[in-house]
Amino acid sequence: EAQVTQNPRYLITVTGKKLTVTCSQNMNHEYMSWYRQDPGLGLRQIYYSMNVEVTDKGDVPEGYKVSRKEKRNFPLILESPSPNQTSLYFCASSRITGGVAKNIQYFGAGTRLSVL
Amino acid sequence: AQSVTQLDSHVSVSEGTPVLLRCNYSSSYSPSLFWYVQHPNKGLQLLLKYTSAATLVKGINGFEAEFKKSETSFHLTKPSAHMSDAAEYFCVVSDTFGNEKLTFGTGTRLTIIP
Repeated sequence: EAQVTQNPRYLITVTGKKLTVTCSQNMNHEYMSWYRQDPGLGLRQIYYSMNVEVTDKGDVPEGYKVSRKEKRNFPLILESPSPNQTSLYFCASSRITGGVAKNIQYFGAGTRLSVL
Repeated sequence: AQSVTQLDSHVSVSEGTPVLLRCNYSSSYSPSLFWYVQHPNKGLQLLLKYTSAATLVKGINGFEAEFKKSETSFHLTKPSAHMSDAAEYFCVVSDTFGNEKLTFGTGTRLTIIP
């Protein structure tokens, strides 16, 4: 079954304690992306990757890191989480044939993060 | 630059009546437009997409949307609402010759009244 898998689904942590949210896709997609969803703001892009070892900032990259060492995985790293990073996070992937703009994004089920 | 505005944050309709969720966009180039649906505690799922083919696009679950360039709109409609349509809906725009970036609207929560 084609899917994007995020782990964990729920996470409560404290300020300053490094954490990683994993994302894996089994569709051999080149493009992967992280979004955060906040009430009234929709989804905002944090980082995206067009392929292995190619990453770029989205709209709200501050406080986050990513890496793309393998095509299927795109972990999101919070080196020193702060309460303003409390949010619902989504990973997504897609093909890039013809441009990302024309392709369907496949989303994971989300990770709800609370930073105390 | 691209942007998208969902004109209603919350829409309530009775079961069996038509649904209209409004979306206006701004794009420097020829845009691709999408509607995604998010059911409670789930990820986003594609409803339909427009990528410069037919202006009336049909999606899953009886939804459709019409691309109107003169009005810069891409409203989502369904003739008859079902209880299972209750969800949050996102309009998304992307410049097809731009920077591969998707811009999401702030979402419209659809409530279905029994």
